[in-house]
Amino acid sequence: EIVLTQSPGTLSLSPGERATLSCRASQSLSINYVAWYQQKPGQAPRVLIYGASSRATGIPDRFSGSGSGTDFTLTISRLEPEDFAVYYCQQYGTSLPWTFGQGTKVEIK
Amino acid sequence: EVQLVESGGVVVQPGGSLRLSCAASGFTFDDYTMHWVRQVPGKGLEWVSLITWDSGATFYADSVRGRFTISRDNSKNSLYLQMNSLRTEDTALYYCAKEDYLRFYDYWGQGTLVTVSS
Repeated sequence: EIVLTQSPGTLSLSPGERATLSCRASQSLSINYVAWYQQKPGQAPRVLIYGASSRATGIPDRFSGSGSGTDFTLTISRLEPEDFAVYYCQQYGTSLPWTFGQGTKVEIK
Repeated sequence: EVQLVESGGVVVQPGGSLRLSCAASGFTFDDYTMHWVRQVPGKGLEWVSLITWDSGATFYADSVRGRFTISRDNSKNSLYLQMNSLRTEDTALYYCAKEDYLRFYDYWGQGTLVTVSS
């Protein structure tokens, strides 16, 4: 099983600041099948990024993804009030079980 | 508009059984692989099971294999999860999720809560 470790656990930032979230895989992913999901309280997750760096439909361009191998990053260039939420990375498509990181909470400082 | 609506979540005793349903609309259901993912309230996400478009293949997390059975009825645009021998650690919000052609989850339902407690 591929274990995904997200850091930090909590990120305290102000609106307008840049957020950098990390996701490290326990083994190299031969295909960059990494997705990032945002989850707000009482809501289902929604996809932001797939294939490590492709933005999903309707996702603002302040969200970007990068990385390969074992290290992946989600960057939010300038935080908007609606971006404060929990973010999960996921590896999918090539190695069962599909696994999620434990999540990073982005909170208002 | 794509919609996934789960139902069937209730309070059940340890050792009991339950069947969850997910009604799909707004897309060609029988073109897509479907999944169940669960989340303990306040905790992270755990993949549970998947079924291919034609029910030709099913896969399970180790934690549920042998107790849970995923199935689908393409004529009814519905996905199911039969849950037997339930344990307290199965308590969670259960989501159904649609797998995009590029393999990630492009749509999720709102979830149905299963509570296993005596």
